Amino acid sequence: DQQVKQNSPSLSVQEGRISILNCDYTNSMFDYFLWYKKYPAEGPTFLISISSIKDKNEDGRFTVFLNKSAKHLSLHIVPSQPGDSAVYFCAASGPGAQKLVFGQGTRLTINP
Amino acid sequence: GAGVSQSPRYKVAKRGQDVALRCDPISGHVSLFWYQQALGQGPEFLTYFQNEAQLDKSGLPSDRFFAERPEGSVSTLKIQRTQQEDSAVYLCASSLALGAYNEQFFGPGTRLTVL
Repeated sequence: DQQVKQNSPSLSVQEGRISILNCDYTNSMFDYFLWYKKYPAEGPTFLISISSIKDKNEDGRFTVFLNKSAKHLSLHIVPSQPGDSAVYFCAASGPGAQKLVFGQGTRLTINP
Repeated sequence: GAGVSQSPRYKVAKRGQDVALRCDPISGHVSLFWYQQALGQGPEFLTYFQNEAQLDKSGLPSDRFFAERPEGSVSTLKIQRTQQEDSAVYLCASSLALGAYNEQFFGPGTRLTVL
């Protein structure tokens, strides 16, 4: 039972353009959502998060949008840079929960 | 400052062997988490500790998996009688306090290959 799904295993975007990564979840109890970025041979690093009381959170080039009715969130990266090439994981957590539930990841490649 | 470290970085075991994976969290971090990441998948929760107390071990796949954190700092994940399906990257994460709102800092992982 995959509670957090990232249906696109990979995405290729030209440098300078917008990258949009998508994530769907099934558990309506989730109230906190995060995006992690992972380079090869390294652990995931936190990128940005959003609480369910918001529908948007912005941090520099990164914006996360949350659509609770659709149980969908997305990460926008504008403008995309070569250093953004990595695997991106969406994760979620429920009220009072400690653990994170991760999606399968999307490999983003930024082409020069 | 130093991040989360894990050792060994790579481990090859023959089926049936016991293995021990070590995690050194960030100093002062109360919470420690173990995740298992199979090839092509996202990390999956195994267990977590608050100081030395193991508060949730619901993600451990079988009783062959055992984790401890006896002094509330370093943690060890032990897998007994390893099987091929145990092959994965084992990630450790620590956070300053409990609660998903507290950022989890991940180590580089230990890649376990069971032959």
